[in-house]
Amino acid sequence: EDQVTQSPEALRLQEGESSSLNCSYTVSGLRGLFWYRQDPGKGPEFLFTLYSAGEEKEKERLKATLTKKESFLHITAPKPEDSATYLCAVQAANQAGTALIFGKGTTLSVSS
Amino acid sequence: GAGVSQSPSNKVTEKGKDVELRCDPISGHTALYWYRQSLGQGLEFLIYFQGNSAPDKSGLPSDRFSAERTGGSVSTLTIQRTQQEDSAVYLCATKPSYSTDTQYFGPGTRLTVL
Repeated sequence: EDQVTQSPEALRLQEGESSSLNCSYTVSGLRGLFWYRQDPGKGPEFLFTLYSAGEEKEKERLKATLTKKESFLHITAPKPEDSATYLCAVQAANQAGTALIFGKGTTLSVSS
Repeated sequence: GAGVSQSPSNKVTEKGKDVELRCDPISGHTALYWYRQSLGQGLEFLIYFQGNSAPDKSGLPSDRFSAERTGGSVSTLTIQRTQQEDSAVYLCATKPSYSTDTQYFGPGTRLTVL
């Protein structure tokens, strides 16, 4: 069964304290792995898509990496405005229209 | 340009009533998905529309749930005889075509069934 597990469930950081969020997945052939950010009361906001092991993508203080079994979202020198829930999702390789399979998310709180 | 819009933003209803939730996709996006996000759970796929093809209804939890997409644009998710366990945020996502991968989400409709 295709599955996505995110850890930790919640993470508290001080401003400037770098850390990583983990997304472990099992899928019958990976078409793509997606990271989204979700603020309270809003829909998920797209961050990154990764397609193959070894791929990395960066945006401001965020860097996403991918291996054959997991993905990491590295947050460097976070700021309070980075506080949000970060969602990881995978799409199986069988067809392009396949719905995303989401993890439950990691809720990040950054205090100043 | 304008993003995905959903209405209403909040809906409170009584158990047993029917509700309709609306999604307006990004202009030109042919693929449209409905997901449900329950408290403490990940997003759960409900239904997928692609152009004029028959929808993929494999995620609908019961026959009380149905959805339509008129003219390949606006979509309506209907829940009949609502139950308390239907309380959740219902999210719509669209993407430009079948072959593109990134889905763009609307703000969601929070449904509360009393």
